[in-house]
Amino acid sequence: QSVLTQPPSASGTPGQRVTISCSGRSSNIGSNAVNWYQQLPGTAPKLLIYSNNQRPSGVPDRFSGSKSGTSASLAISGLQSEDEADYYCASWDDSLNGVLFGGGTKLTVL
Amino acid sequence: EVQLVESGGGLVQPGGSLRLSCTASGFTFSSYWMHWVRQAPGKGLVWVLRINSDGSNIKNADSVKGRFTISRDNAKNMLSLQMNSLRAEDTAVYYCARGRMTSETTTRLDVWGQGTTVTVSS
Repeated sequence: QSVLTQPPSASGTPGQRVTISCSGRSSNIGSNAVNWYQQLPGTAPKLLIYSNNQRPSGVPDRFSGSKSGTSASLAISGLQSEDEADYYCASWDDSLNGVLFGGGTKLTVL
Repeated sequence: EVQLVESGGGLVQPGGSLRLSCTASGFTFSSYWMHWVRQAPGKGLVWVLRINSDGSNIKNADSVKGRFTISRDNAKNMLSLQMNSLRAEDTAVYYCARGRMTSETTTRLDVWGQGTTVTVSS
C-alpha cells in the first residue's frame, strides 16, 4: 500500500455535516497517530487535525477527527463555502519509515 | 511570524541536477526536524525526506534513494535539497515543512513553505 485510502471526492451544501474517511493498515493508522491537512486551491497544505483529534490553534471547532483501528475520519460540521479544498490524511508508516499520505479528497460545497 | 520560504526551483533536463533551499524564520530552526514533501501536477502529497534537528539522522523515500540528499545549516536557518539524476517523474512542487512530534511516529507537519516548482523536461 503506497498511500492511505481516501474517497477522491465529497460534497455537501452549506450548513451540512460531511465526513471524509481514511483507511490504512496496522503499520500506519493501526499503530500511529493520524493527522489531517487542508489544501485550499493554489496554496500550500495546512495542518488541520493532529494526533487523531487535536486542533491546532486557530482551527475552528467545526473540524473534528477520530480514529478507530486502521481507519480514521475527518468531520466538518456547518459546512461553509470556504471549506472547499483538498483534504489529506497522513500517518507515520513503520514499513516506509516515513510519513504516508492519503490520496486526497476534493471537497465541493454545492 | 513563523515562516518557511523555498527557492531554487526551475526547469532542468532529465539527468540534470538542481538544489533547492528553504529559509526558516520566526522560530528556533535548530530545534526542529525538517521534511521535504512534493506534489506532482494534479496529484496528491508525497513525503520525500526528513532530517533530524542536528543533521545526524536522515530518512528518505525509496523513490529518491541515492539521488536526493537533504542537509541543513542551523547557523543560517537553512534547509537544502540536492537533487541529482532527475527524472520526468520528479516534476512537482516541492514543499519544505517543519516537523513536530513527541516521538517520530507522532510526526505532524505544522508549518509549510509556499513551495517551489521543479520541472524536469527536455
